[in-house]
Amino acid sequence: DAMVIQNPRYQVTQFGKPVTLSCSQTLNHNVMYWYQQKSSQAPKLLFHYYDKDFNNEADTPDNFQSRRPNTSFCFLDIRSPGLGDAAMYLCATSRDPGSYNEQFFGPGTRLTVL
Amino acid sequence: AQSVTQLGSHVSVSEGALVLLRCNYSSSVPPYLFWYVQYPNQGLQLLLKYTSAATLVKGINGFEAEFKKSETSFHLTKPSAHMSDAAEYFCAVSVGGNEKLTFGTGTRLTIIP
Repeated sequence: DAMVIQNPRYQVTQFGKPVTLSCSQTLNHNVMYWYQQKSSQAPKLLFHYYDKDFNNEADTPDNFQSRRPNTSFCFLDIRSPGLGDAAMYLCATSRDPGSYNEQFFGPGTRLTVL
Repeated sequence: AQSVTQLGSHVSVSEGALVLLRCNYSSSVPPYLFWYVQYPNQGLQLLLKYTSAATLVKGINGFEAEFKKSETSFHLTKPSAHMSDAAEYFCAVSVGGNEKLTFGTGTRLTIIP
């Protein structure tokens, strides 16, 4: 089945220790998104790629970076995680950037910062 | 800018009863509207979407929603609740020319046996 895969599902890191979260997709979609979802809150868009074109949200901290080496993979790098970065990180894809296009979500990676 | 408001962060209904989850949107241009469901420790799954075709939209798992422009609403309903419907539900909006989905704060649905 075509899907969005996130690894790992659970990640524990230490305060200030860089961490990378991974997302891959078999849908061959052009757009990939990263969301941050804190407990009992709505998902918050961090950034997205349309093909290789990177689009950062204005309020995304510089501590968060992303890479998309090819169509299938996208990475979220947190350079120096703080306690406030503990959250569920959701990857999503859509076929095209049109606003009517459904976004397909992965299962998420829950990040714990010690 | 577009936004959505979900009234009621927690809703409890008895098994077999009507489910009604409320969503109101704000947009200066015709919106596209979505309902997503999230089970514990899972990603979001699309229930249904409104893209300016029929105003009554049917989705998966017996859910439907009606777009009412005059009320700026897109409430989610299901005639008979099932235990498996217990989850978090998010309403979301996007507008033409903008890939961004703006989510509401979510409604946690509890089903009482």
